[in-house]
Amino acid sequence: EVQLLESGGGLVQPGGSLRLSCAASGFTFSNYAMNWVRQAPGKGLEWVAGLSSSSYSTYYADSVKGRFTISRDNSKNTLYLQMNSLRAEDTAVYFCAKDHAAAAVWLFDSWGQGSLVTVSS
Amino acid sequence: EILLTQSPATLSLSPGERATLSCRASQSVSNDLAWYQQKPGQAPRLLIYDASNRATGIPARFSGSGSGTDFTLTISRLEPEDFAVYYCQQRSSWNTFGQGTRLEIK
Repeated sequence: EVQLLESGGGLVQPGGSLRLSCAASGFTFSNYAMNWVRQAPGKGLEWVAGLSSSSYSTYYADSVKGRFTISRDNSKNTLYLQMNSLRAEDTAVYFCAKDHAAAAVWLFDSWGQGSLVTVSS
Repeated sequence: EILLTQSPATLSLSPGERATLSCRASQSVSNDLAWYQQKPGQAPRLLIYDASNRATGIPARFSGSGSGTDFTLTISRLEPEDFAVYYCQQRSSWNTFGQGTRLEIK
């Protein structure tokens, strides 16, 4: 059974930084692209960033480009999201989502339960 | 950016009834459209991909149809556990989600 477990969320001041982690199990992590998708309180889903299985290709939404960095450690079966220069509008639950192929094809077939990030002074 | 418009915003039905949810794209996405279900406090779950293919473990009462710009998710006979928010997503050009349709108990 695929399991994705996010951690690292919390309260951070505007302009601050936070790193999210997603521990994966139940599948061969190194064979699949991975993504982060967020959901602001009471709002819809917004894709944030994606990364191919080998880390060769990275992709970002315009709203986070230059501030967020997605990465992975295939030896630890873990996905990361480094978030810098955080803004109030980054407040959301951040979901880790497994892609359907090694390359990013944007088909999210498994999701973690999410990690809440709150940006506030 | 391809915009997806879902309708209605809220759908009120009773268990046992048929639900029809719509998703319209601002330009053709071929059949690169997926549907996700999200219950309160839970992660989304993939239901349908490539417009009409059910994901693993999804009951047969869920079906998807359409191509190009107009898509439909149909739930043939609503079960109590089907009341949730449904999102469509296109992956033809980058990827974007619709704003969601809330399916509530009447």
